[in-house]
Amino acid sequence: EPEVTQTPSHQVTQMGQEVILRCVPISNHLYFYWYRQILGQKVEFLVSFYNNEISEKSEIFDDQFSVERPDGSNFTLKIRSTKLEDSAMYFCASYQGSHYNEQFFGPGTRLTVL
Amino acid sequence: DQQVKQNSPSLSVQEGRISILNCDYTNSMFDYFLWYKKYPAEGPTFLISISSIKDKNEDGRFTVFLNKSAKHLSLHIVPSQPGDSAVYFCAASANTGGFKTIFGAGTRLFVKA
Repeated sequence: EPEVTQTPSHQVTQMGQEVILRCVPISNHLYFYWYRQILGQKVEFLVSFYNNEISEKSEIFDDQFSVERPDGSNFTLKIRSTKLEDSAMYFCASYQGSHYNEQFFGPGTRLTVL
Repeated sequence: DQQVKQNSPSLSVQEGRISILNCDYTNSMFDYFLWYKKYPAEGPTFLISISSIKDKNEDGRFTVFLNKSAKHLSLHIVPSQPGDSAVYFCAASANTGGFKTIFGAGTRLFVKA
């Protein structure tokens, strides 16, 4: 069964450093997403991406964040200058675009900012 | 952002009995509602969904009920099994262009053998 994959599974970085989180969505899906879950809190929407551009973003997704689909398979989230409060699980998801918004999630990347 | 609320942080049920997980929402623009299941150290897994034009959707042991007038939905699991023990997230989306999904805080279900 096709699945969303994410790398790395755990990223540790120093405050102020740039990080890039990588995702490979399911190949025939059209919509791509990043969500995050701070420890003990709810899963929060960050951004959706369709047709090579951002279609929606939340207030969390400020100028420090950017997304890119550099080739036909990868979807990346970049945080330019990490803050302590960026520590969270980051989930990538993809959606085919045609059925009840059934988004498939990856296993997540745990980002720890020291 | 409290658009989707799950007021019960946890629920404990005996194996073989019914589990009922509840969810309330405030945004009338939501047109799809979904339930996700999540195990520790894994991403959410889609379980079942319902369109706002329906009031019930069933898939095996899982049934979702939607009461639009009350802005309430529930997930019924019958019969409950120990393997169902996980965190269940209620979620909702609207066709605002990106189909973003808003999640509730989750309910941790314990199914006792």
